Order: sequence, then structure tokens, then C-alpha cells
Amino acid sequence: AQSVTQLDSQVPVFEEAPVELRCNYSSSVSVYLFWYVQYPNQGLQLLLKYLSGSTLVKSINGFEAEFNKSQTSFHLRKPSVHISDTAEYFCAVSRANRDDKIIFGKGTRLHILP
Amino acid sequence: GAGVSQSPSNKVTEKGKDVELRCDPISGHTALYWYRQSLGQGLEFLIYFQGNSAPDKSGLPSDRFSAERTGGSVSTLTIQRTQQEDSAVYLCASSAGTNLGYTFGSGTRLTVV
Repeated sequence: AQSVTQLDSQVPVFEEAPVELRCNYSSSVSVYLFWYVQYPNQGLQLLLKYLSGSTLVKSINGFEAEFNKSQTSFHLRKPSVHISDTAEYFCAVSRANRDDKIIFGKGTRLHILP
Repeated sequence: GAGVSQSPSNKVTEKGKDVELRCDPISGHTALYWYRQSLGQGLEFLIYFQGNSAPDKSGLPSDRFSAERTGGSVSTLTIQRTQQEDSAVYLCASSAGTNLGYTFGSGTRLTVV
């Protein structure tokens, strides 16, 4: 079975500072990896995903994540955050190359400080 | 429809009553999922329907929980004899393939008093 650990439940960061949200996964088979975002009072949205190929994947709003198989990690980074990035971020994993359920981590709440 | 539709958006029920939550997925999406979101607990997988295959019920927390999907489209999650610990936001998602990611509905906030 797959599992996901998000080590930080909350991350405060000053506006325009860089941020890293940590995610580690566990699986005995190949995986797909996802980051979802939930803005205040909104539903969950897919931010970015790793399926195969290049280990660095990017979103349209400046976030990026790198799949590191040896460290079983998929950390999310942004070089300069904005107030509008305030949200809860969920890392998720599923088995690769088949349709299957996605298992989510417990989420990291990103607080942007002015 | 354009998105995943869930109803009701809010439900308050008395302990011991049964509730039904409805999910209308995106047309053409073969996969449908139910999750439960509680404060500080993230998203807990409940059940997964894929086409005509038998559903994956491995996440249902007790036999008070059940779900069905009629005609490969609309799904209903039923909670019998509700308990206070059932209070949460119940999220439905649909997908045309896991590699494409899910589209989530806005959820049903269930409060058991």
C-alpha cells in the first residue's frame, strides 16, 4: 500500500521569501505523485503532478516539485511567495500505470506573513 | 455538467439518524471517489468506483457507511445511525484516468448533533 507523510502541519513564511513544503512517500511499486491546493473556502485543485520522465515538474503559478526516488520525496518549492499563495497544500500518491485511488497526506497550511 | 456537483452543501442531523449524500460526477468520467476531510486529518479515502468493476471499499470506516453508483454516473454515500465522530466534510471526485488527476466537488459539510 502507498502512504504519504507531510512533515509540517503549518509553515509560516514572509512574503517574497522562498518556501519548501516537504513530502515523503512510501510504496513498493512505481508511483504517480501529486500536489493539490485548497485555497480558503474553496475546493481542492490539482497544482502539479509527476507521472514519468523529467523529475522536475512545474505549475503555472511558479511552484515546482522534484521527484527524488532515492529519498522517496516530492518536495514542493517556490522561490518567492505571495499573499495569494495562502492555502493548504496536500501531497498525494497513487500506483503508476493504472487507474487507482490517490492517497493524500494530512496537508500543510502555508501562512504568508506580511 | 461542467464540474462535480455535490448535494446538499450542508447537512445537520441528529445523532442516530441516517443521511444520504449525493455526487454527480463529470459526464464521461469513469472513476468516482469519496473522501472525508476532517480538521487536521487531511483527506481520508473512503470508496472508489471504476467503471463496471467492483468498488474498492477498503477505506470505509465501519459497516454504517455504504455507497452505490447507479448507471455508472450518480453516486450516493449513505451513513446509517450517524455518530458525532462522523462530522466532517465529505468530498466526491471524478476522473477520466488517475494520470489526469481528479476533479473535486465542493463537498458536503455534515454536522451530527
